[in-house]
Amino acid sequence: QSVLTQPPSASGTPGQRVTIFCSGSSSNIGGNTVNWYQQLPGTAPKLLIYTNNKRPSGVPDRFSGSKSGTSASLAISGLQSEDEADYYCAAWDDTLNGPDYVFGTGTKVTVL
Amino acid sequence: QVQLQESGPGLVKPSQTLSLTCSVSGGSISGGDYYWTWIRQPPGKGLEWIGYIYYSGSTSYSPSLKSRVTISRDTSKNQFSLRLNSVTAADTAVYYCARGLGSSSPLDRWGQGTLVTVSS
Repeated sequence: QSVLTQPPSASGTPGQRVTIFCSGSSSNIGGNTVNWYQQLPGTAPKLLIYTNNKRPSGVPDRFSGSKSGTSASLAISGLQSEDEADYYCAAWDDTLNGPDYVFGTGTKVTVL
Repeated sequence: QVQLQESGPGLVKPSQTLSLTCSVSGGSISGGDYYWTWIRQPPGKGLEWIGYIYYSGSTSYSPSLKSRVTISRDTSKNQFSLRLNSVTAADTAVYYCARGLGSSSPLDRWGQGTLVTVSS
């Protein structure tokens, strides 16, 4: 049971904007930075956004991230067919039993 | 360009120990502010962080797996390894090794993953 909650699915038509939200708490998103990963079918995850809103080299600027309080969001503008994938948020969680790097429950994005 | 590759048995019997190795090329596991990390993903499910070994050799483990996990390294071979004791069917997953960068540890390089099935 992940401590970071995401909607199980999201969808849009090509060219639309899709936003995925990630809800946490003060021990994780509220006090630490958020990273986002994209997992295409049958492949390893790929870093999409780091430190809340930074894009690694090679990631299109259609992808953007933000954080506010204990929630974060990933926006995909100008949705393309190749964006159909699972998306996971992640952050450090400062638990009573020690630090834990937690992933969100994941959101499957479908391009209609 | 750093590349990671997992290797190890694809089938482990219940109660035994799962052992995997991650071979790293294109960069040293004992240099730089990197966290050499293991993550797993049960079939059809989400991602779970297992732990890391820092470039200095220090380790950190998921609280939920801490009692069963050991991550070690062989700097001469530029490899790091995962041992998970007393496995059950719930440990069946694709296991990934990855590189974490800096204190917030975004995982910027991943291996392709290897499926480990726990079954008698």
